[in-house]
Amino acid sequence: GAVVSQHPSWVICKSGTSVKIECRSLDFQATTMFWYRQFPKQSLMLMATSNEGSKATYEQGVEKDKFLINHASLTLSTLTVTSAHPEDSSFYICSAGGWEGQPQHFGDGTRLSIL
Amino acid sequence: TQLLEQSPQFLSIQEGENLTVYCNSSSVFSSLQWYRQEPGEGPVLLVTVVTGGEVKKLKRLTFQFGDARKDSSLHITAAQPGDTGLYLCAGETGGFKTIFGAGTRLFVKA
Repeated sequence: GAVVSQHPSWVICKSGTSVKIECRSLDFQATTMFWYRQFPKQSLMLMATSNEGSKATYEQGVEKDKFLINHASLTLSTLTVTSAHPEDSSFYICSAGGWEGQPQHFGDGTRLSIL
Repeated sequence: TQLLEQSPQFLSIQEGENLTVYCNSSSVFSSLQWYRQEPGEGPVLLVTVVTGGEVKKLKRLTFQFGDARKDSSLHITAAQPGDTGLYLCAGETGGFKTIFGAGTRLFVKA
């Protein structure tokens, strides 16, 4: 089946550091990828839709300058949390869906802890 | 605003009991997915339902899509500790927009 790989799985860094998270579709081309944030014991909150070759679409309340998204190829999207602070600590999950009508396939998530 | 209400939010049961999780909305979905997520991992797709009234079975799990494609249910028969996890429903409204329910945290005690 479709596989989405997310890296790294866990990051601990100091406040003020920028952190890049990669999301790769391993066996299919993904024109669209999604980035979610999940707080403990809560559901997924969509942050942005990453579109290959164009700018990402951000959900209301999500700072685009804080969460930089790049989708330069059909198999890779990156999320960079710039100048991260403790309040940015969370579980970030990406998903990919290559075509309309097909379900999203999720990466294993990245646990980000900012000290 | 489109919403997908999922209930119950939390369920703690004994091994062998049956349970049902519901997802309801006023919106019509072109398809609806059920996912299961374990701590520290991403959601894993269980099933996709597309046709109104559709019923799908996956071992002890039975999924139903409402006739009007606005609601869905997940029924687990004879729950086991291995069923413990967060269950998420997600509805696609068309135009590649997916809405997630708040999730049902299931704990099955041995």
